[in-house]
Amino acid sequence: DQQVKQNSPSLSVQEGRISILNCDYTNSMFDYFLWYKKYPAEGPTFLISISSIKDKNEDGRFTVFLNKSAKHLSLHIVPSQPGDSAVYFCAAISSNTGKLIFGQGTTLQVKP
Amino acid sequence: EPEVTQTPSHQVTQMGQEVILRCVPISNHLYFYWYRQILGQKVEFLVSFYNNEISEKSEIFDDQFSVERPDGSNFTLKIRSTKLEDSAMYFCASRGQGLSQQPQHFGDGTRLSIL
Repeated sequence: DQQVKQNSPSLSVQEGRISILNCDYTNSMFDYFLWYKKYPAEGPTFLISISSIKDKNEDGRFTVFLNKSAKHLSLHIVPSQPGDSAVYFCAAISSNTGKLIFGQGTTLQVKP
Repeated sequence: EPEVTQTPSHQVTQMGQEVILRCVPISNHLYFYWYRQILGQKVEFLVSFYNNEISEKSEIFDDQFSVERPDGSNFTLKIRSTKLEDSAMYFCASRGQGLSQQPQHFGDGTRLSIL
């Protein structure tokens, strides 16, 4: 099942700089997208979401951008902090089903 | 902040044995889910549960799997005869009433190891 893909398994950035995590999807029926953050030995924690009718949603240091024509979304974290170091999962959902479809995850390391 | 709790955190079971994974969803939530993550792979949907019945299940969720909400607080996943390939992290999630786009809240998972 490759409906949601995160092609970068890892990303390393310097503290204070911008982190950009990318996600691609194939199913045009998806109408809502979510980002989850996961620390080791913990479950995924909801971070931010975006509806398919929008192209941007912002919450503090976190902004998600959606390009529907390209079937691409990205999560921007600025400024990045060492505590942001975690695995970030992109997930998609369609209104007719409640299940989340996850990408493989990207491990972000923010160096002090 | 209310959270989803799962027990045990780690379960080791002999192949062929039955195992029950337990979850206490957030108290006012009505929709419940199980997901699993095999080591090195994606988080995969198993089953969703609403109004005391299964809403949707994946191909993984075969006759060996069952879910139950035995009382007003617990939500369990049972695997009747475990196989080596059932070894994975199992996550329970819940969400409140309203649109399906509402975020699901996850527990910290149960690591199931089949020997």
